[in-house]
Amino acid sequence: QQPVQSPQAVILREGEDAVINCSSSKALYSVHWYRQKHGEAPVFLMILLKGGEQKGHDKISASFNEKKQQSSLYLTASQLSYSGTYFCGTERGSGNTPLVFGKGTRLSVIA
Amino acid sequence: GAVVSQHPSRVICKSGTSVKIECRSLDFQATTMFWYRQFPKQSLMLMATSNEGSKATYEQGVEKDKFLINHASLTLSTLTVTSAHPEDSSFYICSALGLGLSDTQYFGPGTRLTVL
Repeated sequence: QQPVQSPQAVILREGEDAVINCSSSKALYSVHWYRQKHGEAPVFLMILLKGGEQKGHDKISASFNEKKQQSSLYLTASQLSYSGTYFCGTERGSGNTPLVFGKGTRLSVIA
Repeated sequence: GAVVSQHPSRVICKSGTSVKIECRSLDFQATTMFWYRQFPKQSLMLMATSNEGSKATYEQGVEKDKFLINHASLTLSTLTVTSAHPEDSSFYICSALGLGLSDTQYFGPGTRLTVL
């Protein structure tokens, strides 16, 4: 079951904040966040494993609400380099399972 | 650390020919590698799971006789697109799950295949 991401696209000015949501109709073991720039492979941002877990990476952080089966990615004081398509990937089970990716959220940061 | 390479990065071939794509984990061992395909402006779609020393597990709708996967060692998996057709043109990306790397999947840089 593919997770649902929202919004589909967002345009920000430098310094503005954004939130990208990822939700699933099925129970989640973990949520992985990636950023992909045009023509390149996805780059790993972070993984969230526990219910209610939050993580931060520079000015990018994320939360995972296991009960609500959803995760949110927070981008604070966005920079031009944040532009790209953000994908959440969810695991169908624990262990060596592949990720099922959402359709992505295209983020454009403009000066 | 945790670098995954793919070769070639870009390939153009004629319809009916076969193309082999290599995926290597450079600084870690990967018992499991995944192969994804991504069409323009779309998400990554899993094609198959490749386990070292055993047969790959293919997703529904992916022809195993057309997309041959071989995971011969802990650092190398190959995907061969046989009898390629224009509709096989896509961005093929592998990811590797490292031993002891906390469930993180590291992606290769991708291979852009164009079939004429």
